[in-house]
Amino acid sequence: GAVVSQHPSRVICKSGTSVKIECRSLDFQATTMFWYRQFPKKSLMLMATSNEGSKATYEQGVEKDKFLINHASLTLSTLTVTSAHPEDSSFYICSADRISYNEQFFGPGTRLTVL
Amino acid sequence: DQQVKQNSPSLSVQEGRISILNCDYTNSMFDYFLWYKKYPAEGPTFLISISSIKDKNEDGRFTVFLNKSAKHLSLHIVPSQPGDSAVYFCAASSGNTGKLIFGQGTTLQVKP
Repeated sequence: GAVVSQHPSRVICKSGTSVKIECRSLDFQATTMFWYRQFPKKSLMLMATSNEGSKATYEQGVEKDKFLINHASLTLSTLTVTSAHPEDSSFYICSADRISYNEQFFGPGTRLTVL
Repeated sequence: DQQVKQNSPSLSVQEGRISILNCDYTNSMFDYFLWYKKYPAEGPTFLISISSIKDKNEDGRFTVFLNKSAKHLSLHIVPSQPGDSAVYFCAASSGNTGKLIFGQGTTLQVKP
């Protein structure tokens, strides 16, 4: 149990386009999901906290208009990278906070490459 | 400002020996600490955690020690196995926000 999926696993896009990444908790409900970004050989950096039915909370320095987050249901959160640029190329990972458990379960990540 | 630091980017140990991974933090408000294991191009998988009210937590081959006065925690793996080779991240959180602050990671290589 406690599986989190991400789709797509890899995406390559042209500069200026928008890319949507989905994060799903497959067998549990999550009122809160988190989005992280990891640069090569660097730490996972928390980008935002996604709460079902309300606006996401962004960390300092993360542009909310560039990284749109929608948490439409208890099992799905989406991250849309708008007007992508090469510097947005990174590994994006989501996690889901299982209700009543003090533990986060991570998705497998999405590798975004912007040409 | 790196609130959680793993100062050793890599560690190499022989199979069967003990692996000790270290982590330091600066924020005294952190009250929950976790260790994750990560393979390339995959998400982290949870290993073990410890609450700030404890100084030790053990789960099979994995033991986490917390020294609050030194703001230091460590993960001990004994005996180490080649399958333990991965990147290990420590993470910390405060309150019940669920927000995790990660260290930079330590790449562990266990040699047969």
